[in-house]
Amino acid sequence: EVQLLESGGGLVQPGGSLRLSCAASGFHFSSFAMTWVRQAPGKGLEWVSAIMGSGGTKYYVESVKGRFTISRDNTKNTVHLQMNSLRADDTAVYYCAKDRIAVAGGGLDYWGQGTLVTVSS
Amino acid sequence: QSVLTQPPSASGTPGRRVTISCSGSNSNIGGNTVDWYQHLPGTAPKLLIYRNNQRPSGVPDRFSGSKSGTSASLAISGLQSEDEADFYCAAWDDNLNGVVFGGGTKLTVL
Repeated sequence: EVQLLESGGGLVQPGGSLRLSCAASGFHFSSFAMTWVRQAPGKGLEWVSAIMGSGGTKYYVESVKGRFTISRDNTKNTVHLQMNSLRADDTAVYYCAKDRIAVAGGGLDYWGQGTLVTVSS
Repeated sequence: QSVLTQPPSASGTPGRRVTISCSGSNSNIGGNTVDWYQHLPGTAPKLLIYRNNQRPSGVPDRFSGSKSGTSASLAISGLQSEDEADFYCAAWDDNLNGVVFGGGTKLTVL
């Protein structure tokens, strides 16, 4: 059974940092891209970042470029999202999701339950 | 403003058919495949359709997807009260080098 378990969310002040983690199990982790998607309060889903199965290629939505870094450890079946210089508009539930294939854009077939990030003073 | 345009709401009565549209451009829907997700607030989103019209295992055949040019549609037939949720389309965008989602459509079963 595929399972994705996010952790690391919480309350942080503007300008602060958080590191989200997603522990994956139930599939051959390194064979699939992994993606982070967020949903701000009262808003729709927003794709944030993706990393290929090999970890060699990474993609980001424009609004987080230079502030967020996605990474993965294929020996520990985990994917991380390092978030720096956080802003109030980064407040959202962050979902970790598994791509159907090794590259991004093929559909997200499994999702975690999400972790809430609140950026506020 | 989302890159992909969806109607904010849709509705139908039990047993009827409803369609949700998703409009994009050549850089996203026109040149790439479309996926559809169902999302109940507070739960994990669920993949309903991938590659325009493919259903993952376990998704009822009441759900179907299609694509033509720079637009796509999700059709739900035999509407059930449990289908009430938010629905999102998504596609890779070659200009933005990332996935773009539609703004979402809230489906109400009357």
